[in-house]
Amino acid sequence: QQQVKQSPQSLIVQKGGIPIINCAYENTAFDYFPWYQQFPGKGPALLIAIRPDVSEKKEGRFTISFNKSAKQFSLHIMDSQPGDSATYFCAASIAGGGADGLTFGKGTHLIIQP
Amino acid sequence: DAGVIQSPRHEVTEMGQEVTLRCKPISGHNSLFWYRQTMMRGLELLIYFNNNVPIDDSGMPEDRFSAKMPNASFSTLKIQPSEPRDSAVYFCASSPFGTDTQYFGPGTRLTVL
Repeated sequence: QQQVKQSPQSLIVQKGGIPIINCAYENTAFDYFPWYQQFPGKGPALLIAIRPDVSEKKEGRFTISFNKSAKQFSLHIMDSQPGDSATYFCAASIAGGGADGLTFGKGTHLIIQP
Repeated sequence: DAGVIQSPRHEVTEMGQEVTLRCKPISGHNSLFWYRQTMMRGLELLIYFNNNVPIDDSGMPEDRFSAKMPNASFSTLKIQPSEPRDSAVYFCASSPFGTDTQYFGPGTRLTVL
């Protein structure tokens, strides 16, 4: 059973565009929702995270939108740059990322064209 | 800090052989996680430890897999006997107490022939 569904699998956007990656979860016990960024040959690295008590969180060019009733959340990248080309994973956990394992989506391979 | 250290970075072995993957978490971190990444299944949690104690091993695929954390600075993931379907990138991650961020190591790419 896939508890976190992510879409699209791949995405190509022109430089300066706003890629949007979507995730949906099933387990209502999840209360921590991070996004991880992974470059080829590297481990995933935390990009931004949100808890369900807020509907939006912004850090630099990265924004998470969260819809608790729909059990969905999304990542927006403003003014995208070629250096943002990477694989992005949404994830969820019950007790927070430090004390509980993460359930990951399948990932989105993002390419930002110059 | 050096970050999470994993060894070896690449491992090629033959079916039936024992494989041991190693992880050194970031000093002071008290949670340690093992994940497996494949194209088909993505990133999957295998097992995690809090204060060296295994908390949840429900993600360990079979009895052929075992993990230990003998002290706060070292963990191993062992596969015995290995099979071609075990081929994947295995990541170790650690997290400090009271925070949410997991810090991933560079991974070990395992190929079982």
